Amino acid sequence: EAGVVQSPRYKIIEKKQPVAFWCNPISGHNTLYWYLQNLGQGPELLIRYENEEAVDDSQLPKDRFSAERLKGVDSTLKIQPAELGDSAVYLCASSLDDGTAQYFGPGTRLTVL
Amino acid sequence: GNSVTQMEGPVTLSEEAFLTINCTYTATGYPSLFWYVQYPGEGLQLLLKATKADDKGSNKGFEATYRKETTSFHLEKGSVQVSDSAVYFCALSDQGGSNFGNEKLTFGTGTRLTIIP
Repeated sequence: EAGVVQSPRYKIIEKKQPVAFWCNPISGHNTLYWYLQNLGQGPELLIRYENEEAVDDSQLPKDRFSAERLKGVDSTLKIQPAELGDSAVYLCASSLDDGTAQYFGPGTRLTVL
Repeated sequence: GNSVTQMEGPVTLSEEAFLTINCTYTATGYPSLFWYVQYPGEGLQLLLKATKADDKGSNKGFEATYRKETTSFHLEKGSVQVSDSAVYFCALSDQGGSNFGNEKLTFGTGTRLTIIP
């Protein structure tokens, strides 16, 4: 069974430029999460989707970050414009509705210059 | 709010040594507890979990016991191998019981473990 897929794996951009990350969850997983992981820290939740509905986006900086999960499968996380402090690893995870564990993708490492 | 405090790393051990990585937590409800592992260049993988007090999670020779009285979930392994070198994260989900996988995970800062031959 394929795991959570994320792309790109690495991205380097200039500050003030836009950037987007893509996630394809495990087939059949209705819940999708985006986490931010700063260097030397544990992941922190940005947003959680149940199907296509964002049920927890309280930690998402909405002035520059946006996310969507059209059709309740793939998801895209966008930053516009990017700032130096956004350099981090962006992780996507998915889980089943029955409360089993979250499965993580390999992440996208973003560097903002 | 919820929080997880992990033993600071890095931790370096010789092969076949005994491993303990300490983890304590603060939560408002009845959390489920997890250990995740991140091997170099890979994503986080669930190592083991426990959903209620006195439960013991185990996998790949690792084990951790949910201690409500000390709010701890220490990770242990009797004999580590070079292949265990990774970063280990303790986490909690404050839903408790059923449906724990669909709530926000609160992570510790991670402990980097290096095993030398």
